[in-house]
Amino acid sequence: SQQGEEDPQALSIQEGENATMNCSYKTSINNLQWYRQNSGRGLVHLILIRSNEREKHSGRLRVTLDTSKKSSSLLITASRAADTASYFCATGRGLQGAQKLVFGQGTRLTINP
Amino acid sequence: GAVVSQHPSRVICKSGTSVKIECRSLDFQATTMFWYRQFPKQSLMLMATSNEGSKATYEQGVEKDKFLINHASLTLSTLTVTSAHPEDSSFYICSALPVGHEQFFGPGTRLTVL
Repeated sequence: SQQGEEDPQALSIQEGENATMNCSYKTSINNLQWYRQNSGRGLVHLILIRSNEREKHSGRLRVTLDTSKKSSSLLITASRAADTASYFCATGRGLQGAQKLVFGQGTRLTINP
Repeated sequence: GAVVSQHPSRVICKSGTSVKIECRSLDFQATTMFWYRQFPKQSLMLMATSNEGSKATYEQGVEKDKFLINHASLTLSTLTVTSAHPEDSSFYICSALPVGHEQFFGPGTRLTVL
């Protein structure tokens, strides 16, 4: 089955810096979503970008999608210690009401105070 | 916002026993729920799609007789790990899919099989 790949696998930066994570996938998609997971917890949905969109913003988050390169990036600006978590991209296929998500391997982000 | 709960949050059991995990959508109905498994420091892997009133659809490589799924109502799906073994120890996460929205995830259940 399709598996997204994310890089870097781990990222450690200073508070206040920007963090960029990338995601690549292999097959055609309807949308791509980004999730955050704090250690040992469930997933929090961050943002969804549809296949016909190129860029989307939500607060300090900026997501880009390049369907020709089958890649997406998540930028977190002005990072905070509370942003420390694992970040996963997930690609969705199928109809909205029954889509299955395929998750990337994730990036473990550490924000150092 | 939509809330999905899981019970229990953590369970420890002996090898050979069965464990039931519940996934509930608290403020919406979901005809479709999903079950994922996540090993330490790894990604989520979809195990099965749970459909209310019909049989679950399992992903390739997932044993349907070992991981029993029941979606008896529009707000409850259960995953039963039968005859659990230490290699079944994992973090099990469910999600629920309200019509027209993205999936909402539960907080996960940590299963440890001794």
